[in-house]
Amino acid sequence: EAQVTQNPRYLITVTGKKLTVTCSQNMNHEYMSWYRQDPGLGLRQIYYSMNVEVTDKGDVPEGYKVSRKEKRNFPLILESPSPNQTSLYFCASSPAASGRVRELFFGEGSRLTVL
Amino acid sequence: GDSVTQMEGPVTLSEEAFLTINCTYTATGYPSLFWYVQYPGEGLQLLLKATKADDKGSNKGFEATYRKETTSFHLEKGSVQVSDSAVYFCALRNTGGFKTIFGAGTRLFVKA
Repeated sequence: EAQVTQNPRYLITVTGKKLTVTCSQNMNHEYMSWYRQDPGLGLRQIYYSMNVEVTDKGDVPEGYKVSRKEKRNFPLILESPSPNQTSLYFCASSPAASGRVRELFFGEGSRLTVL
Repeated sequence: GDSVTQMEGPVTLSEEAFLTINCTYTATGYPSLFWYVQYPGEGLQLLLKATKADDKGSNKGFEATYRKETTSFHLEKGSVQVSDSAVYFCALRNTGGFKTIFGAGTRLFVKA
């Protein structure tokens, strides 16, 4: 089954404790991206990757890191989480890096709470 | 920069009522327009899309027409069901395609 898989789905952590949210897709997609969803703000892009070893900042990259060493994986790293990073996070992928007609395929989301 | 504005919710309707969720956009060039739906506890999934002016996207009884003259992409359904209760996001993806920009989302509640 074609899918985007995120882990963990739910996480409660404390300020400053490094964490990684993994994302993996099995569709051989070139493009991957991370979004955060907050009430009243919709989805805001954190980082995106056009292909292996090619990443760039989205609209709200502060406090986050990413890497793309393999085509299928795109982990999101919070080096020192803070309470304002409490949010619902989505990983998404798309067949081609460019191409305005291509839709995004989303994971089921990871709900993160930072105390 | 590019942006998407959609009507605030929540929208509460009775079953079989007519639904309209307004969406307008600001963009240079020729973006593609999308509606995504998020059911409770799930990720977003594509509902429909339109890639050029006057295109109509349709799926599951939902429709939206790409209106370049009014920069709009309103979502409509003639008769909603309880199972349509979800959050609906309007989005655009522009030439170059590196970024998809989302509206704030509209929550729909359908009562039996």
